[in-house]
Amino acid sequence: GQQLNQSPQSMFIQEGEDVSMNCTSSSIFNTWLWYKQEPGEGPVLLIALYKAGELTSNGRLTAQFGITRKDSFLNISASIPSDVGIYFCAGLIYGGATNKLIFGTGTLLAVQP
Amino acid sequence: DGGITQSPKYLFRKEGQNVTLSCEQNLNHDAMYWYRQDPGQGLRLIYYSQIVNDFQKGDIAEGYSVSREKKESFPLTVTSAQKNPTAFYLCASSMGTGWSTVQYFGPGTRLTVT
Repeated sequence: GQQLNQSPQSMFIQEGEDVSMNCTSSSIFNTWLWYKQEPGEGPVLLIALYKAGELTSNGRLTAQFGITRKDSFLNISASIPSDVGIYFCAGLIYGGATNKLIFGTGTLLAVQP
Repeated sequence: DGGITQSPKYLFRKEGQNVTLSCEQNLNHDAMYWYRQDPGQGLRLIYYSQIVNDFQKGDIAEGYSVSREKKESFPLTVTSAQKNPTAFYLCASSMGTGWSTVQYFGPGTRLTVT
């Protein structure tokens, strides 16, 4: 079945550093989503990407939909302690025989003040 | 305030008991979903419903049941047939009846079965 390979699994950084994480797949997706989840809470949508090549920002966050439609990355600039959490990518497939939202396994981000 | 509510936040049950998790949304979304999250894994789809009185199995439906009698409510029952019920359960909803719209998540219910 479809899988999303998300990397890195975890990152331990100093406050102020930039962060980059990505997701790759052998499947093509219609939409890429990035969520953040804090302990004991549900995922919160950060960015949604709808077109190949699209680059979208949300404050210090920037994400891109890969040209091949099989990958996406998320960058966080000038990290702060409240960026701590697990970041999930998710690829949405629809319109054909398969309709589903597939999640990566997450990137745990720890920020040291 | 519009949103998705799940209750309770924490639930404890003895093995062999059925338990029902609540999910309510006031976003006027057509579609609702149930996911299960285990440590170190991505979310896995249990059931989804795109319209009232209709629902479909996801990837891991065995041992679970749902109902969709009202647009705003999609309760999940974890039955005694579910072999590993201890997990974090997440409800989500999205606009429209297709899969093309973004899913928004509730705060989750942590179920522990001993």
